[in-house]
Amino acid sequence: EAQVTQNPRYLITVTGKKLTVTCSQNMNHEYMSWYRQDPGLGLRQIYYSMNVEVTDKGDVPEGYKVSRKEKRNFPLILESPSPNQTSLYFCASGTSGGLNYEQYFGPGTRLTVT
Amino acid sequence: GNSVTQMEGPVTLSEEAFLTINCTYTATGYPSLFWYVQYPGEGLQLLLKATKADDKGSNKGFEATYRKETTSFHLEKGSVQVSDSAVYFCALKTGGYNKLIFGAGTRLAVHP
Repeated sequence: EAQVTQNPRYLITVTGKKLTVTCSQNMNHEYMSWYRQDPGLGLRQIYYSMNVEVTDKGDVPEGYKVSRKEKRNFPLILESPSPNQTSLYFCASGTSGGLNYEQYFGPGTRLTVT
Repeated sequence: GNSVTQMEGPVTLSEEAFLTINCTYTATGYPSLFWYVQYPGEGLQLLLKATKADDKGSNKGFEATYRKETTSFHLEKGSVQVSDSAVYFCALKTGGYNKLIFGAGTRLAVHP
């Protein structure tokens, strides 16, 4: 089954404690992306990757890091989480441009930073 | 810059009522337009899309027409069901970029 998986689904942590949210896709997509979803703001892009070892900032990259060492994986790293990073996070992967473009989303990770 | 504006929710309807969720956009060039749906506790799923002016996207009884003259992509369904209760997001993509720009989302609640 074609899917994007994220782990963990729920995480409660404390300010300053480094954490990693994993993301994996089995569709051989080159493009992967991380979004955060906040009430009234929709989804905002954090980082994206066009291919292995190619990553770039989205609209709200501050406080986050990513890496793309393998095509299927795109982990999101919070080196020193703060309460304003409490949010619902989605990983997505997609085909590249064109009329048949589509992004597939993971189930989400709800993060609470106290 | 590029942006998407959706009507504020929540939208509360009785089963079999007619649904309209308004979406307007601002974009340079000729964007592709999308509606995504998010059911409780799940990720976003593509509901329908349109890639050029006057195209109509449709799926599961939902429809939306790409109106360039009014920069709109309103979502409609003739008869909603309780199972349609979800959050609906309008989004656009421009040019060769893969980035999606989302509206704030509209929550729909359908009661029996």
